[in-house]
Amino acid sequence: NAGVTQTPKFQVLKTGQSMTLQCAQDMNHEYMSWYRQDPGMGLRLIHYSVGAGITDQGEVPNGYNVSRSTTEDFPLRLLSAAPSQTSVYFCASSSSSGRLNTQYFGPGTRLTVL
Amino acid sequence: AQTVTQSQPEMSVQEAETVTLSCTYDTSESNYYLFWYKQPPSRQMILVIRQEAYKQQNATENRFSVNFQKAAKSFSLKISDSQLGDTAMYFCAFMKQGGARDMRFGAGTRLTVKP
Repeated sequence: NAGVTQTPKFQVLKTGQSMTLQCAQDMNHEYMSWYRQDPGMGLRLIHYSVGAGITDQGEVPNGYNVSRSTTEDFPLRLLSAAPSQTSVYFCASSSSSGRLNTQYFGPGTRLTVL
Repeated sequence: AQTVTQSQPEMSVQEAETVTLSCTYDTSESNYYLFWYKQPPSRQMILVIRQEAYKQQNATENRFSVNFQKAAKSFSLKISDSQLGDTAMYFCAFMKQGGARDMRFGAGTRLTVKP
């Protein structure tokens, strides 16, 4: 049971390049989310999904796309990277079951856009 | 919209002593959950403790306990017998019940435990 995994751990991009941050979980969780963490601002929600085929925008969605074709995977796409997207990105998952509301986080991806 | 405020950017405590981290939140929801997460230098987000708003009893997990004041919208974390391994960023988080697990986080408090 690996929990929530993210790849890559580190990435450097040039402005305008595109890339996909990968996230996978093996806990059969329905809910998955992407957050970004910037200095002094805590974590902010980018996009989330309540199940395969269902996604919605969070607090800071601009510049990011997501899709959820399987329960396990929830990739985050940057179509045209900008320096403002330099951040640490966390993927999280949780179960829809009643009181099990805890979110489990991946190890994060540190992205630098030059 | 819900907001979470942590008014102490940095704190320090001597090993074996007790420290309290503050958190306040703003919401119009009646049912929700509150969390404290720890982020050590490894960057991993680790759940420390959680509280369900409908429970009046404060949650405890070993050396960690909370003081939940629903009317005051306050949710402080007390760490007893502080250990060097407690050195980390601590984030307070809010999540409304029935929501899609979208959490709102405070800006964090950097705690340093000194030997």
